[in-house]
Amino acid sequence: GESVGLHLPTLSVQEGDNSIINCAYSNSASDYFIWYKQESGKGPQFIIDIRSNMDKRQGQRVTVLLNKTVKHLSLQIAATQPGDSAVYFCAEKGTNAGKSTFGDGTTLTVKP
Amino acid sequence: NAGVMQNPRHLVRRRGQEARLRCSPMKGHSHVYWYRQLPEEGLKFMVYLQKENIIDESGMPKERFSAEFPKEGPSILRIQQVVRGDSAAYFCASSLGQAEKLFFGSGTQLSVL
Repeated sequence: GESVGLHLPTLSVQEGDNSIINCAYSNSASDYFIWYKQESGKGPQFIIDIRSNMDKRQGQRVTVLLNKTVKHLSLQIAATQPGDSAVYFCAEKGTNAGKSTFGDGTTLTVKP
Repeated sequence: NAGVMQNPRHLVRRRGQEARLRCSPMKGHSHVYWYRQLPEEGLKFMVYLQKENIIDESGMPKERFSAEFPKEGPSILRIQQVVRGDSAAYFCASSLGQAEKLFFGSGTQLSVL
């Protein structure tokens, strides 16, 4: 079956540094990928998405990279701030699949 | 424009009681999804509904759990005869279309005593 996994469960960075969170997926039919941020006691919040016809997409301070050859996705956060501390989930959707499959999450801690 | 609204925020039930969780999607969204999250874990898909129809319930336990999304009113996730293992955060999400991103509510924390 399909699965989405993350390489590291926790990541600790210094304020101002760049953060990179990685994600691997197994379903070759996945064509839509999304990163979510979840703060304690809250629901996941959309950060950025990318479709399979692209390999890079940039937002404000965030960049998502997609490598379909090795089924790998990464989220880069520039100049990480204390407010970025949260759990980050990658999720994927397959073609014509309504549901999104989530990985287990990476906890990002930003040290001042 | 209100986001996805879930209520109650917290729900306490004794073993054997029924739990009803409600979700109003974002305005204009007709696709609703329910997910369950245990502490320190990811979100596990339960069910995907469109107005009056269950599209995918592959993540729903076969017994005691049911979901609906009527023509009028919120989506309801119903858990009958709750057990302690049902204690979790239940999140609802909605989307504009099947291939679109999800917008999540703040969740309902269910505690079974």
